[in-house]
Amino acid sequence: GAGVSQSPSNKVTEKGKDVELRCDPISGHTALYWYRQSLGQGLEFLIYFQGNSAPDKSGLPSDRFSAERTGGSVSTLTIQRTQQEDSAVYLCASSPDRGGNTIYFGEGSWLTVV
Amino acid sequence: KQEVTQIPAALSVPEGENLVLNCSFTDSAIYNLQWFRQDPGKGLTSLLLIQSSQREQTSGRLNASLDKSSGRSTLYIAASQPGDSATYLCAVRTGANSKLTFGKGITLSVRP
Repeated sequence: GAGVSQSPSNKVTEKGKDVELRCDPISGHTALYWYRQSLGQGLEFLIYFQGNSAPDKSGLPSDRFSAERTGGSVSTLTIQRTQQEDSAVYLCASSPDRGGNTIYFGEGSWLTVV
Repeated sequence: KQEVTQIPAALSVPEGENLVLNCSFTDSAIYNLQWFRQDPGKGLTSLLLIQSSQREQTSGRLNASLDKSSGRSTLYIAASQPGDSATYLCAVRTGANSKLTFGKGITLSVRP
């Protein structure tokens, strides 16, 4: 596609349920990032993929959070046993290489845990 | 640990004014710095990318400068327009394989 695509765009879930958020990066982009943005807060780094490997997953807030990337393309962020504090916009971004070039963001997945 | 600060958090100016948005970072050993724009309910759009070896970048009415030694970057917007109203974020990368560290952004309102 022309840009980074994320789905779902909006998700309301009950506390304790699991959710999966999907990211389709720009074709050919090897680097993929997940960030979280809470109301009134800055962007919080979650995890970075280079190809299918994750050299930096230091931002995942707890073991309820996991992410994978397959085929060097699509990535899925999974949140298990969701809590109300998980409510945020989850943003995915991709870039052509290891860091010299511009990073492109998707529109985000708005998650509300009730 | 790299920290990025943007002050003030919000700014309101009349249309036509030239303005400067500031960004400071604690670790001067950066790989590059990027300025983004975020409209309400939307993702981030990249405005300008400055590599560590560069001093400034320009795109249209926007000019971004970088002073690594002092840990500062500025985004200059010439002849501001109501359509420039948005949140502007700066982010730094400290290495080729590292994440972007973001400031909390400056919410700009340009009054007609």
